[in-house]
Amino acid sequence: NAGVTQTPKFQVLKTGQSMTLQCAQDMNHEYMSWYRQDPGMGLRLIHYSVGAGITDQGEVPNGYNVSRSTTEDFPLRLLSAAPSQTSVYFCASSSGGVNTEAFFGQGTRLTVV
Amino acid sequence: AQTVTQSQPEMSVQEAETVTLSCTYDTSENNYYLFWYKQPPSRQMILVIRQEAYKQQNATENRFSVNFQKAAKSFSLKISDSQLGDTAMYFCALDDYKLSFGAGTTVTVRA
Repeated sequence: NAGVTQTPKFQVLKTGQSMTLQCAQDMNHEYMSWYRQDPGMGLRLIHYSVGAGITDQGEVPNGYNVSRSTTEDFPLRLLSAAPSQTSVYFCASSSGGVNTEAFFGQGTRLTVV
Repeated sequence: AQTVTQSQPEMSVQEAETVTLSCTYDTSENNYYLFWYKQPPSRQMILVIRQEAYKQQNATENRFSVNFQKAAKSFSLKISDSQLGDTAMYFCALDDYKLSFGAGTTVTVRA
């Protein structure tokens, strides 16, 4: 059981480039989310999805797009990378609702130069 | 709006001793859950303990226990008999309909 798989683990982008961070889960979870982790700020919610075809913005959505065409996949797109998007990104999934444990991917360290 | 505040950026503890991490939160919801997650240097997020807001009894998991004070909106984590493997960053998290995290506390266990 792979759980939540994030790719890539590391990425360096030039300012203005676009890329997609991939996230896949094999637990049939309805709820998926993306966070960014910055020093001293914890994990901040970027976007989340409560099921296929449904997405919503979190705390820091600007500069990011998401889609949820299947239950398994929840990619995060950076449209035009900026140095302020240098961060560690985590994808998480849960079965939905309050109290359900969130399972996290291993994280992606992104550097924008 | 919901906020989670961890006021201790760093804590250091001697092996086998006890350390307590503080967390306060704010929510307008009556039904919610609280979590402590551990993030070791490997970067993996690991659930340590959870607490249901409607339960008055404090949760315990082996050497980890919480002190949940609902009226004060306080949720502290106590690590007893600290081990070197407990060295990590610890995040307090609130889940009322979205999962929100505090800034984290780095715990270092000294041999």
